[in-house]
Amino acid sequence: AQSVTQPDIHITVSEGASLELRCNYSYGATPYLFWYVQSPGQGLQLLLKYFSGDTLVQGIKGFEAEFKRSQSSFNLRKPSVHWSDAAEYFCAVGPSGAGSYQLTFGKGTKLSVIP
Amino acid sequence: GAVVSQHPSRVICKSGTSVKIECRSLDFQATTMFWYRQFPKKSLMLMATSNEGSKATYEQGVEKDKFLINHASLTLSTLTVTSAHPEDSSFYICSAREGAGGTEAFFGQGTRLTVV
Repeated sequence: AQSVTQPDIHITVSEGASLELRCNYSYGATPYLFWYVQSPGQGLQLLLKYFSGDTLVQGIKGFEAEFKRSQSSFNLRKPSVHWSDAAEYFCAVGPSGAGSYQLTFGKGTKLSVIP
Repeated sequence: GAVVSQHPSRVICKSGTSVKIECRSLDFQATTMFWYRQFPKKSLMLMATSNEGSKATYEQGVEKDKFLINHASLTLSTLTVTSAHPEDSSFYICSAREGAGGTEAFFGQGTRLTVV
């Protein structure tokens, strides 16, 4: 069965500092990988996704993620964090060939930003 | 991007009553919609997949008689929590996949259900 692990429950960074949120997955084939962001009391917004091709994917709001097959990882990065980035971040994996159909989510990483 | 609207955003109901949550795709047709439940400090758990015009497919452990899903049109799916109990209190989120070959699912803003 597929699974997603986000090792960090809560991360605090200073505004302007760089950010890396970790995500490891377990999946039997090449997965589709996603990062979503959720503000308090809100739904999920897609930041970026990886289906195939270039393993470094660019997303919205200045985020990027790198797919590393050998490490089964899909870590999210941002070079300079803004206070508005404070939110909950979810990594998700879906079966390849079906887009974002039936996603399995990690437990999320809460990001706090110090002004 | 495509917009999914979920209503209501918050609802409080008494134990034993039923509550209906609507999920609408506003600018696209969604042949498939998904219902998730999110517990505090937990991840999103897929409850069921609904396909327009057919019965929903429920995940293991989800009571189909308690969580009724109807996907009567290409733009609307509803989740009805029947005979609600306090343990049904949670954040429910729907997502909709555009068309049969859509490669992305768009999420609604979620519904906070509190059963008192």
